[in-house]
Amino acid sequence: EAQVTQNPRYLITVTGKKLTVTCSQNMNHEYMSWYRQDPGLGLRQIYYSMNVEVTDKGDVPEGYKVSRKEKRNFPLILESPSPNQTSLYFCASSLSNYQGSEAFFGQGTRLTVV
Amino acid sequence: DQQVKQNSPSLSVQEGRISILNCDYTNSMFDYFLWYKKYPAEGPTFLISISSIKDKNEDGRFTVFLNKSAKHLSLHIVPSQPGDSAVYFCAASDPPRGGGNKLTFGTGTQLKVEL
Repeated sequence: EAQVTQNPRYLITVTGKKLTVTCSQNMNHEYMSWYRQDPGLGLRQIYYSMNVEVTDKGDVPEGYKVSRKEKRNFPLILESPSPNQTSLYFCASSLSNYQGSEAFFGQGTRLTVV
Repeated sequence: DQQVKQNSPSLSVQEGRISILNCDYTNSMFDYFLWYKKYPAEGPTFLISISSIKDKNEDGRFTVFLNKSAKHLSLHIVPSQPGDSAVYFCAASDPPRGGGNKLTFGTGTQLKVEL
């Protein structure tokens, strides 16, 4: 089954404790990205990757890091989480860089930073 | 600065009637628009899209209309069914700048279809 898998689904952590949210897709997609969803703000792009070893900032990259060492994986790293990073996070992938290419989303990771 | 706006946070419709969800945008460089549907505890799923060179795209019960001069698009669902109850996100895509498929999302509209 074609899918984007995120782990964990739920995470509660303390301020300053480094964490990683994993994302993996099995569709051989080139383009992957991370979004956060907050009430009243919709989904906002954090980082994206056009291919292996090619990543770039989205609209709200502060406090986040990403890596793309393999085509299928695109982990999101919070080196020193803060309470304002409490949010619902989605990883997405799409077949190509073609503008408008349908994006497939993971099920989301609800992160709480206390 | 919200470039894609969905001004109705919620909409309630009776089963069998038409649901109309609206979306406005400000960036004239957007030239591809998509609608995503999201159920609780799930990620958004693609529903329907439209290129800016068209003014209408239809897929079964779902039709998207685009009015470029007004920078407005709408999603029509006819007839509405209880399973359509979900949050609907409007999204817009910029032309590639060296590549990329960046989507700018609206804030979402919660649709409730009542029996």
